[in-house]
Amino acid sequence: GNSVTQMEGPVTLSEEAFLTINCTYTATGYPSLFWYVQYPGEGLQLLLKATKADDKGSNKGFEATYRKETTSFHLEKGSVQVSDSAVYFCALSDLQAGKSTFGDGTTLTVKP
Amino acid sequence: DTGVSQDPRHKITKRGQNVTFRCDPISEHNRLYWYRQTLGQGPEFLTYFQNEAQLEKSRLLSDRFSAERPKGSFSTLEIQRTEQGDSAMYLCASNREGAGYTFGSGTRLTVV
Repeated sequence: GNSVTQMEGPVTLSEEAFLTINCTYTATGYPSLFWYVQYPGEGLQLLLKATKADDKGSNKGFEATYRKETTSFHLEKGSVQVSDSAVYFCALSDLQAGKSTFGDGTTLTVKP
Repeated sequence: DTGVSQDPRHKITKRGQNVTFRCDPISEHNRLYWYRQTLGQGPEFLTYFQNEAQLEKSRLLSDRFSAERPKGSFSTLEIQRTEQGDSAMYLCASNREGAGYTFGSGTRLTVV
């Protein structure tokens, strides 16, 4: 079956540091890949997505590239801010099946 | 667009009681999903609907769980004879096929 593995957290960075959160997946077929973010006290919200190999999703300064050869979708940001402190979830969606499979989340804390 | 609404936000119930949760999706979205999330874990798939048809139900879901989506609009999730292991955040999400999810804020269930 489908699965998503995220790097374990928590991750603590200083403001303006470079961020990478690793995500690898196992899937049959050609899934779409997503990053969701959950800010403190809020619900999950879609951050970015990519639907096919070599696509790059981007939003709010975050980027992730769909790498089929390494089955990865790592999240990156060049300069994090305190307001980026949140839990980040990687997910894949099999369009045939409809449902999504989520990783266990990575908690990011950015200190001023 | 008022987003995905879930009701109630919190529910405390005694073991053995039945509970029902409601989800109102974004009106243009034909797909509706129920997930369960426990602390430190990613959302776990329960079931999903395309319009009024329930297309998949997780094998992890016992017969005590049932969901409906009459007329393809709002959905209800009922848990009969609740157990302490049912304590979790129950998340509803909706989308159009191929798009990322819009999540509701969730219903936090505590079984005492």
